[in-house]
Amino acid sequence: QSALTQPASVSGSPGQSITISCTGTSSDVGSYNLVSWYQQYPGKAPKLLIYEASKRPSGVSNRFSGSKSVNTASLTISGLQAEDEADYYCCSYAGSSTWVFGGGTKLTVL
Amino acid sequence: EVQLLESGGGLVQPGGSLRLSCAASGFTFSSYAMSWVRQAPGKGLEWISGISGSGDSTYYADSVKGRFTISRDNSKNTVYLQMNSLRAEDTAVYYCAKQGRGYYGSEVRKTYYYYGMDVWGQGTTVTVSS
Repeated sequence: QSALTQPASVSGSPGQSITISCTGTSSDVGSYNLVSWYQQYPGKAPKLLIYEASKRPSGVSNRFSGSKSVNTASLTISGLQAEDEADYYCCSYAGSSTWVFGGGTKLTVL
Repeated sequence: EVQLLESGGGLVQPGGSLRLSCAASGFTFSSYAMSWVRQAPGKGLEWISGISGSGDSTYYADSVKGRFTISRDNSKNTVYLQMNSLRAEDTAVYYCAKQGRGYYGSEVRKTYYYYGMDVWGQGTTVTVSS
């Protein structure tokens, strides 16, 4: 049950696009399309942004998109806005009804 | 509106016990698996336990296996986390989360699967310290 690997931090200017990677193994990300992404503001609960690698829940901006290739999933935020500054976590099904999160990425909007 | 409300957190000494509760509303509680996820101060999210909709099946991360017990009372729409033999490293905000569910197959023969956590509570803080 090792954590998925995410960059500790990424940054971008308003209007730009950024991508956060999430690398797992053939036992989690590589075996299932059940990757989800969460946004978390300081002191707040996480919020689901993406599920099943690329699907968006209703109400989530289409500026957020997800993809997956082999053992790596990615979250892309386009048209970066100041309000996007937050922590982002990926999560993958890891088999046997267990889940594993990434270490989290702090997004700074310059 | 779907809501989850955790309670039961507090300060406990190492080796002590605590029971967390999570009251759910706004959805058919017994139809969904639930999870507990924790976040140590300044750290990332960690899935620690899950339970099926019926309560018949439970799952744990290695970090809490043998010390924590998840359970649910579907008549009260509540999921619990009994935490025993607490350690300093268990200090964290504990979140209750509803598992997001999808399905495939026909309308009359659906097969359900879970894809992550689609609703989260506000969290309850557990501090283990002497």
